[in-house]
Amino acid sequence: AQRVTQPEKLLSVFKGAPVELKCNYSYSGSPELFWYVQYSRQRLQLLLRHISRESIKGFTADLNKGETSFHLKKPFAQEEDSAMYYCALKGAGGTSYGKLTFGQGTILTVHP
Amino acid sequence: DVKVTQSSRYLVKRTGEKVFLECVQDMDHENMFWYRQDPGLGLRLIYFSYDVKMKEKGDIPEGYSVSREKKERFSLILESASTNQTSMYLCASSLTGLMGDARNEQFFGPGTRLTVL
Repeated sequence: AQRVTQPEKLLSVFKGAPVELKCNYSYSGSPELFWYVQYSRQRLQLLLRHISRESIKGFTADLNKGETSFHLKKPFAQEEDSAMYYCALKGAGGTSYGKLTFGQGTILTVHP
Repeated sequence: DVKVTQSSRYLVKRTGEKVFLECVQDMDHENMFWYRQDPGLGLRLIYFSYDVKMKEKGDIPEGYSVSREKKERFSLILESASTNQTSMYLCASSLTGLMGDARNEQFFGPGTRLTVL
């Protein structure tokens, strides 16, 4: 079974501070990992995926297979980063149609 | 731009009523999904469909059914609504489901907040 855990329901930081949103997963094979974000009154959208190795809006995430983690990081948080963040996993076996398993979500609040 | 639309933003129904939630996408996507979003539980997959008339159960299908008669439309049906089905329902679609394929990104609708009294 595949599982995604985001241990923090709420995370508060001040503008300019570093931020790290934690994500741990459980999966026996090689998964594909994603971060999705939902800003206030907007729809859920993809932020980044591990295979692209991109930095989006200053955020990066590295897949650590040894620790089974995919933490989302930004060195200097901005107020507009305040949102709900979901980590998601796509496995290979039996999920070739794109099924994602989502974590519980973390609400990030960046204070001025 | 991919557009995923849902028939209602807010819906209030009574216990026992039959409820239809409609989702339409305009980008010829193969895959469509229905999730419910609850605080502290994240998104949980109810059903998904990878082709017209094809459907697969997700993680929490009990109490729900789906219909996909046309490629662009995916309906979620609550046969007899209950108070524990009060939730935010999100529809999503993706072009493919293949791992490592950038086209497997899921695009989400705005959501339908359903309240069952």
